[in-house]
Amino acid sequence: AQTVTQSQPEMSVQEAETVTLSCTYDTSESNYYLFWYKQPPSRQMILVIRQEAYKQQNATENRFSVNFQKAAKSFSLKISDSQLGDTAMYFCAFMHPYYGGATNKLIFGTGTLLAVQP
Amino acid sequence: NAGVTQTPKFQVLKTGQSMTLQCAQDMNHEYMSWYRQDPGMGLRLIHYSVGAGITDQGEVPNGYNVSRSTTEDFPLRLLSAAPSQTSVYFCASRRQGNTGELFFGEGSRLTVL
Repeated sequence: AQTVTQSQPEMSVQEAETVTLSCTYDTSESNYYLFWYKQPPSRQMILVIRQEAYKQQNATENRFSVNFQKAAKSFSLKISDSQLGDTAMYFCAFMHPYYGGATNKLIFGTGTLLAVQP
Repeated sequence: NAGVTQTPKFQVLKTGQSMTLQCAQDMNHEYMSWYRQDPGMGLRLIHYSVGAGITDQGEVPNGYNVSRSTTEDFPLRLLSAAPSQTSVYFCASRRQGNTGELFFGEGSRLTVL
């Protein structure tokens, strides 16, 4: 079974600084998808960034970027110029591709609680 | 644009009581799912559905029932609530396929005494 591991339960960063959240996963497949979701105190889950395993280029969305190391099965999230609004729980998630017959479910890690300090 | 709507947002039950968490989406998504969120355990998949009339179990299905009579609705039933079911529950939907982006409801906090 696939597993997603986030080894940092909590992290803290000063406003305007850069922080990196770690995620590792386990799979025997060569093609899959990885995601980072954000859950602010409002509890609403929001997609931050998405990476397709067959793409070597790391995904970027404004201040958010990933370091995808396929051989190491590592998928870290870098937040640049941290803002107070980035304070949230961040979840890494994994998904197999949809082959038309099987159902591709998202498997989540346990989350990293990020606090941005003023 | 409602998206995914969950009700109720808060509920307190006594052990042994039954209840239904409602979930509705207006995006015509084929895939709907229920997760529970517990401290230190992330989000765990309870049940999911890939279309009307089709449901399947996730990681932690025991104690929960689901049905999918329409594309829009995917209720989660607790037949006999237990304190171990105290949790925050999220309904989520997406298009079947590889986009992967789940659209979440706002969550339902359930306490079983």
